[in-house]
Amino acid sequence: EIVLTQSPATLSLSPGERATLSCRASQSVSSYLAWYQQKPGQAPRLLIYDASNRATGIPARFSGSGSGTDFTLTISSLEPEDFAVYYCQQSTFGQGTRLEIK
Amino acid sequence: EVQLVESGGGLVQPGGSLRLSCAASGFTVSSNYMSWVRQAPGKGLEWVSVIYSGGSTYYADSVKGRFTISRDNSKNTLYLQMNSLRAEDTAVYYCARDNVLLGGMDVWGQGTTVTVSS
Repeated sequence: EIVLTQSPATLSLSPGERATLSCRASQSVSSYLAWYQQKPGQAPRLLIYDASNRATGIPARFSGSGSGTDFTLTISSLEPEDFAVYYCQQSTFGQGTRLEIK
Repeated sequence: EVQLVESGGGLVQPGGSLRLSCAASGFTVSSNYMSWVRQAPGKGLEWVSVIYSGGSTYYADSVKGRFTISRDNSKNTLYLQMNSLRAEDTAVYYCARDNVLLGGMDVWGQGTTVTVSS
């Protein structure tokens, strides 16, 4: 079973700042990695698929990169609505990164 | 409109059973991979089970032998039969379309809550 490890567990930033979230796989997953955003009381929303492709309707400030075992989700300039929990996923899910307002 | 609507959650005693339903609209369940994902209170997401378009099924080790995923093509509905329920199965259960063309779960239901407690 592939284990996904996300870091940091919590990221405290201010609106307008750049956010960088990491996801490391226990073995190579090629580019088969997705990222999700979840807000309290809501279902997750697909942001990025195949490591670097934005899903329909996702703003351009969200970008994904990486391949093999190391992946990054970048939010170029944080908007107030971006503060949420982010998960990476291949078959299983990472444990999540909470992005909170500083 | 592409949509998933779950139902069937509730309070059940340890050792009991429950069947969750997930009604789809705007697309065909049997033509897609469909997954169940759960989230325990205050915890992260946990993949539970998937059914492929060809009918193959897979389960997380934590539910193998107790849960069964299935679908009714005539009703365009996905199911999760949960038996021998334990306290640690308490969670919000989501169904999701696992879009193999994208490599991600692109449609999610709103979730249904299962509480296992005496």
